[in-house]
Amino acid sequence: GQQVMQIPQYQHVQEGEDFTTYCNSSTTLSNIQWYKQRPGGHPVFLIQLVKSGEVKKQKRLTFQFGEAKKNSSLHITATQTTDVGTYFCCLCGDDKIIFGKGTRLHILP
Amino acid sequence: DTAVSQTPKYLVTQMGNDKSIKCEQNLGHDTMYWYKQDSKKFLKIMFSYNNKELIINETVPNRFSPKSPDKAHLNLHINSLELGDSAVYFCASSPGTGSYNEQFFGPGTRLTVL
Repeated sequence: GQQVMQIPQYQHVQEGEDFTTYCNSSTTLSNIQWYKQRPGGHPVFLIQLVKSGEVKKQKRLTFQFGEAKKNSSLHITATQTTDVGTYFCCLCGDDKIIFGKGTRLHILP
Repeated sequence: DTAVSQTPKYLVTQMGNDKSIKCEQNLGHDTMYWYKQDSKKFLKIMFSYNNKELIINETVPNRFSPKSPDKAHLNLHINSLELGDSAVYFCASSPGTGSYNEQFFGPGTRLTVL
């Protein structure tokens, strides 16, 4: 069946360093969504990517969708303590929803 | 004016008991979901309903039964609770079914089975 692989599982960075999490699918995706979950909180929608090769930015966050629509990445520039949390990609379809296992980001002061 | 609310927030119970978790959304959304998040933080879909119709029904034990009395509510009833049911359960809603619709999550219900 369809799988969504997300790496790395954990990432520790010094405050101010960059961070990237990657999501790979075994099949072509119609779209991909990204969510953030703060410690003790609930997932919060960040963005949706639909088009091949699409790049979207939200302040220090850059989201990319691969040309083949089989992979996606989330890059954070100059991390801050507010970026702490787990980032999930989601293959969120009409009749199938698969979340990646998430990347837990720890920020070292 | 909470968008997606769940009750209770915490639920501690003994093995073998039956319990329910309630979810309500005031966003006017057509689709609602139940997720289970285990201790490793993996987020897994259990069910989704669109306008009270079951859309997604992942392979969960039939001890779990969702009920949608109207499109603003999706409750989760669990029979004969087991230790492995301990997890955080999230309810979510979206304007339509999964594709191209962001999901709004409730605060979660932490279930502990002793």
